[in-house]
Formats: sequence, structure tokens, C-alpha cells
Amino acid sequence: NAGVTQTPKFQVLKTGQSMTLQCAQDMNHNSMYWYRQDPGMGLRLIYYSASEGTTDKGEVPNGYNVSRLNKREFSLRLESAAPSQTSVYFCASSRGGTAHYEAFFGQGTRLTVV
Amino acid sequence: AQKITQTQPGMFVQEKEAVTLDCTYDTSDPSYGLFWYKQPSSGEMIFLIYQGSYDQQNATEGRYSLNFQKARKSANLVISASQLGDSAMYFCAMREGVDTGGFKTIFGAGTRLFVKA
Repeated sequence: NAGVTQTPKFQVLKTGQSMTLQCAQDMNHNSMYWYRQDPGMGLRLIYYSASEGTTDKGEVPNGYNVSRLNKREFSLRLESAAPSQTSVYFCASSRGGTAHYEAFFGQGTRLTVV
Repeated sequence: AQKITQTQPGMFVQEKEAVTLDCTYDTSDPSYGLFWYKQPSSGEMIFLIYQGSYDQQNATEGRYSLNFQKARKSANLVISASQLGDSAMYFCAMREGVDTGGFKTIFGAGTRLFVKA
């Protein structure tokens, strides 16, 4: 079972470069999420998509954009990377319809902006 | 506003003893879910236990139990008979229902648990 797959696993960017983090899930989940985790800290929600065709800002959306390409895929784009965006990025998905389902996580993308 | 608070940055526990990790939350949504996740040093997020806002009984999963006190808005994780493999970061999370904008899930800052032999 693949679950939630994120690519790439590691990335180094120069300040000002752009890139897209890819996320796909094969569990037919409606809701998908992007989080960032800074060293020694918790997960902060960047954007989420409650269902296909909708996206909403989370706690820290500045500097990011997202696309819910279809039910399976939810991508995160950094248009002009900054050192403050150095972090580990997690994609997650969960069943929709109620608040009572847990999230399943990808393995994370470790991004360094120099 | 939706909020999760974990006030213990780090905790120590002796192997085979029980430990309680604190979590308080705030929400205006009557329907919500509370979750605990474990993050070992390898970095993956592992789901441990879930408690629904309408559940009358505290959730249990093996050595994990959730002490849910709705009036106090607390959802503490209890790990019984601690093992060395329990050393990890533990995160409390809350997912709200559709009324507040669609199943947004947020996390607390986490508690790092150290189990001593």
C-alpha cells in the first residue's frame, strides 16, 4: 500500500528559485493538507483542501500556493524561495465528511534554501 | 479560534512507569476530533489514538489511553508501562467539522518524551 507519496524527499534551492512539491494519495481521501515542521517544533498548516476543487489557507500560507489537481493529487508551490522556508514539509490526507478521521502522512520533504 | 496547546516541551519517565502528556484545545465547533501522533527520530508521523467530541467514554488503544475532559477542554495522552521505544515527539491534533470551514486539522507544538532505562 503506497498511502501518501511525496516527491522529492530532499531538495536544496537557492534563494529566489521556484519549485513544486508533489503529493499523491491512493486512499480515495477527500481532504488533503500541507504542513511545515521547523526543527524541534510542531506542524503548522500551510494550506488544506477539504475536497476536490477547494483549497483554503491554513496558519502560515504566505509565500506558498497550492493546486488540488484532482482527488489524488495536491501540490505545493514556492514561487520565490527564501531561507525562512527551510523546513520539512509534510503532505497528509484524510477521509472527508466528518471531523472524526485521522490523517495519514507522507514521509516528508526536507527542503533547504540557501 | 481553533487552538491546540501542549505545555510540556520535554518529559522524562522511567521505563515501565506510566506517563501523562498534556493537551488542551479550544474550538467553537460542537463536532470535532482529537488525535495523538508519535514522531520518532526517523521523522514519520504515526497515528496513535482518536477521541470524538461526542464520545462518552475515553478512548483506549493498547498501552495508550486518552483522558478526555470535555468541560475543561483537555485531552491528555496516558502511556502505561513505558518502553524505551516510546522515546519520541508526541503531538496532539484537532480536526474541526464542516461548520468551521472544512475539516481543518491543526497540531500542538509537541512534547518530547524520554524514557530512561
